[in-house]
Amino acid sequence: DGGITQSPKYLFRKEGQNVTLSCEQNLNHDAMYWYRQDPGQGLRLIYYSQIVNDFQKGDIAEGYSVSREKKESFPLTVTSAQKNPTAFYLCASNLEPRLNYGYTFGSGTRLTVV
Amino acid sequence: EDKVVQSPLSLVVHEGDTVTLNCSYEVTNFRSLLWYKQEKKAPTFLFMLTSSGIEKKSGRLSSILDKKELSSILNITATQTGDSAIYLCAVEGYNNNDMRFGAGTRLTVKP
Repeated sequence: DGGITQSPKYLFRKEGQNVTLSCEQNLNHDAMYWYRQDPGQGLRLIYYSQIVNDFQKGDIAEGYSVSREKKESFPLTVTSAQKNPTAFYLCASNLEPRLNYGYTFGSGTRLTVV
Repeated sequence: EDKVVQSPLSLVVHEGDTVTLNCSYEVTNFRSLLWYKQEKKAPTFLFMLTSSGIEKKSGRLSSILDKKELSSILNITATQTGDSAIYLCAVEGYNNNDMRFGAGTRLTVKP
């Protein structure tokens, strides 16, 4: 079955440590996105990529980095520069041009700073 | 700046009740409005609305867009405990490359 796989489901980070969240899709979608979800704030865009080897900053890119070396993969690195990384992270993808079904989301990674 | 406001933020009802969730937006060059249901992890797609006044329906759920009022409503009739979730509204503009999400409405349906 086609879909988006995020791993790990739960991740614990120590202060000053970089961690990488994985996002893989087998939907042949061109566009991929990373969102952060905090209580009461909905989803906020961190980075997005519309094509391999190209990506753009979203609204809250500071302290994060991404790469898009393959169409299927869009990993997100949470760096030590991100001061408040504890949140739920969702990866999404969408076929371009957009069809009438909206985005497909992964199951998310919950990151906690310990 | 584009923004999406949902109301209420939280709602508690009993099974069988009908609920109406609201979403208002400000976006440059509006393209579409989307509703998602988020139960535990991944949001699942409900509706995409692009034209004003045309109701979209799926079972007990329905939604309609009012471009004049820059808003949309999501109706759920005969609610069930399985409807308990966060309902997210998002909008897309032609100038944007992503969706702008509201904070969501947390719906709790009690037996």
